[in-house]
Amino acid sequence: DGGITQSPKYLFRKEGQNVTLSCEQNLNHDAMYWYRQDPGQGLRLIYYSQIVNDFQKGDIAEGYSVSREKKESFPLTVTSAQKNPTAFYLCASTETDFYGYTFGSGTRLTVV
Amino acid sequence: QKEVEQNSGPLSVPEGAIASLNCTYSDRGSQSFFWYRQYSGKSPELIMFIYSNGDKEDGRFTAQLNKASQYVSLLIRDSQPSDSATYLCAVNVDSNYQLIWGAGTKLIIKP
Repeated sequence: DGGITQSPKYLFRKEGQNVTLSCEQNLNHDAMYWYRQDPGQGLRLIYYSQIVNDFQKGDIAEGYSVSREKKESFPLTVTSAQKNPTAFYLCASTETDFYGYTFGSGTRLTVV
Repeated sequence: QKEVEQNSGPLSVPEGAIASLNCTYSDRGSQSFFWYRQYSGKSPELIMFIYSNGDKEDGRFTAQLNKASQYVSLLIRDSQPSDSATYLCAVNVDSNYQLIWGAGTKLIIKP
């Protein structure tokens, strides 16, 4: 079945540590997105990519980095510069005829 | 600043009644409109999209779009307890497939 796979489902980060969240899709979608969701809040865009080897900053890119070396993969690194990383992270993708986004199941990141 | 506004709720509706969720948007150039349902702790799932003025029906769900008044609504008929969730409104405003998101309305269906 086609879809988006995010891993891990739960992730714990120590202070000063970088962590990487995985996002893989087999939908052949060109565009991929990373969102952050805090409790009771809407979705905030971190980074997006519309084509391999190219990506753009969203509204809250500081403290995060991404890569897009393959069409299927769009990993997100939460760096130690992100001071408040505890949140629910969602990866999404869409195709060019655009019937909305398909989301992965999310990664819940907690700082310990 | 392009914005999408939703009443945060919670909106409480008796089982079997019609639930009405509303969303307003600021950009008159908005092209397409989406409703997503998000259960607690889960990711959003697309339930309806609408591009043209008027109504679009899919089962118990009806999306209504009024571009002149810049609002889009979602009606849920014969509400069930399983409809209890947060409903997110999203609006596409440009050709880059970017969506602007509302903060969501929490809907509670009371048995």
